[in-house]
Amino acid sequence: GAVVSQHPSWVICKSGTSVKIECRSLDFQATTMFWYRQFPKQSLMLMATSNEGSKATYEQGVEKDKFLINHASLTLSTLTVTSAHPEDSSFYICSGVAGGFEQYFGPGTRLTVT
Amino acid sequence: GENVEQHPSTLSVQEGDSAVIKCTYSDSASNYFPWYKQELGKRPQLIIDIRSNVGEKKDQRIAVTLNKTAKHFSLHITETQPEDSAVYFCAAPAISSGSARQLTFGSGTQLTVLP
Repeated sequence: GAVVSQHPSWVICKSGTSVKIECRSLDFQATTMFWYRQFPKQSLMLMATSNEGSKATYEQGVEKDKFLINHASLTLSTLTVTSAHPEDSSFYICSGVAGGFEQYFGPGTRLTVT
Repeated sequence: GENVEQHPSTLSVQEGDSAVIKCTYSDSASNYFPWYKQELGKRPQLIIDIRSNVGEKKDQRIAVTLNKTAKHFSLHITETQPEDSAVYFCAAPAISSGSARQLTFGSGTQLTVLP
């Protein structure tokens, strides 16, 4: 099956700093990538849809200036959490879509903001 | 957009028994219904999916049924094993809103298989 990687797998940062998370499709070209946030014991909540070469589409309630998404190529999308605060601590997961409906998920990034 | 409801939120079964998880969706245009299994701290993994042109699909101990008229679909796991313990999510796409590839996830079901 298609493989998606994420880096880093976990990160601890201080409040007010920025953190960048990378999402790569290793063996397919992801025309669309999705970014999700998952709090403990909760479902996956879609943050934004990222299409290669265009601006990301953010879900209602997600601040686009705080969560910067860049999809510069068909194999790489990045999420930058700017001026992180403790309430941003969560599990961030990306997924890639090749052409059909199936989403291939990355292993997730555990962000802890102290 | 799509609204997906999932029940139950927790489910405990004895090893060897069957488990059934149900989901309802709101967008009648939805045509793809995947089920994901997520172990603690890991990525969701697709375990089975069904398209709207069939009513049932089976893969060994796992099956999914779809009732388009009632707008609900169910996951059936037979002969459950301890390694089936995980959180299961259903999902459906928001076709009518123009986001055919965007999935809305159910709230999840924590399945515990007791040895």
